[in-house]
Amino acid sequence: GAVVSQHPSWVICKSGTSVKIECRSLDFQATTMFWYRQFPKQSLMLMATSNEGSKATYEQGVEKDKFLINHASLTLSTLTVTSAHPEDSSFYICSARDQRITYEQYFGPGTRLTVT
Amino acid sequence: GQNIDQPTEMTATEGAIVQINCTYQTSGFNGLFWYQQHAGEAPTFLSYNVLDGLEEKGRFSSFLSRSKGYSYLLLKELQMKDSASYLCAVRDRVGNTDKLIFGTGTRLQVFP
Repeated sequence: GAVVSQHPSWVICKSGTSVKIECRSLDFQATTMFWYRQFPKQSLMLMATSNEGSKATYEQGVEKDKFLINHASLTLSTLTVTSAHPEDSSFYICSARDQRITYEQYFGPGTRLTVT
Repeated sequence: GQNIDQPTEMTATEGAIVQINCTYQTSGFNGLFWYQQHAGEAPTFLSYNVLDGLEEKGRFSSFLSRSKGYSYLLLKELQMKDSASYLCAVRDRVGNTDKLIFGTGTRLQVFP
């Protein structure tokens, strides 16, 4: 089956620093990847849609200068949280759409970010 | 606007049947997903409905009525391992954008 990996699985950083999270589709090509954020006991909130080779589309209320997304290849998208604050602490999950099966998204295992 | 509603929590007994409802309002409906998510893990795919009717897959079934903006997930022969959050997600297509909008999720607790 389709596998999506994320790295790192968890990270602790200090306020004001930047953190990069990688999302990779391991056995399929993903023209579109999605980034979600999930706070404890809440559902997934879409942050942005990332298309290979073009700028990401951000959801309303998500600061594009703070959450930098790069989708440089068909198997890799990165999310960089810049100048992190404690309120950015969350579970970040990516998903990738297999361009051959356009209705289904495959989710990565998530990255737990804690900002101290 | 977009709105997807599910009950926040449900409880059930091992071996029983439970139905989790989801109602939605979206601009460009293009299918509905159900996912299971255990705490601290990513969602795993359970079912996908794009046409009205019932889709059965083992112990899990999912139903869709597009005219009513309604879906349910039916879990039979409940097991302890079914304790998890169940997320209803609607595929919303508007223009060239195609994205999943998630409901609030339903936390199901199965008791022995």
